[in-house]
Amino acid sequence: ETGVTQSPTHLIKTRGQQVTLRCSSQSGHNTVSWYQQALGQGPQFIFQYYREEENGRGNFPPRFSGLQFPNYSSELNVNALELDDSALYLCASSSGQGHEQYFGPGTRLTVT
Amino acid sequence: GQQLNQSPQSMFIQEGEDVSMNCTSSSIFNTWLWYKQDPGEGPVLLIALYKAGELTSNGRLTAQFGITRKDSFLNISASIPSDVGIYFCAGRRSGANNLFFGTGTRLTVIP
Repeated sequence: ETGVTQSPTHLIKTRGQQVTLRCSSQSGHNTVSWYQQALGQGPQFIFQYYREEENGRGNFPPRFSGLQFPNYSSELNVNALELDDSALYLCASSSGQGHEQYFGPGTRLTVT
Repeated sequence: GQQLNQSPQSMFIQEGEDVSMNCTSSSIFNTWLWYKQDPGEGPVLLIALYKAGELTSNGRLTAQFGITRKDSFLNISASIPSDVGIYFCAGRRSGANNLFFGTGTRLTVIP
């Protein structure tokens, strides 16, 4: 059984640029949630995708957007990057909307 | 967003000692989860709790879902060096899909 995978591992971008992060869910899981984890803090919920539709969103601006594909993998897109967007971005998959969430290793984004 | 309050923030213990940490919220949750995160990695699920008063064990780890549904506790018995890391509690409200995370407890085990 393959766990949650994320790519890339690390990324450095310049303020104002756009970035796309990718996540493959664990085998058998149809729901993907994205979280942002700033240094020294707990993860903060960005949004969740279920059946290719956004299914709940945290307190993040519209420049954070996402997609889920028929194979349940997902993308997180961030436009107009700001310095405060520097963080570890975590993807978690689950077998349903309210089920236990299993996390990937994360993508470390640095905005300069 | 809301974060749960975890205490203590950090702990330094001798190998073999038992550890207790807790998580409190002003809101009621219907699910509590405990995760462990190592540096540069994603959180790993340790224990999930679904009912008030529930006590669940996973090896040397034991967690409890508080009766008020506003708190949860994690105990680690006979700590070992690989227990080092940051422990996060996470809660989910009724009808919600997302998790609210605590502020974390950093555990250091001295051999």
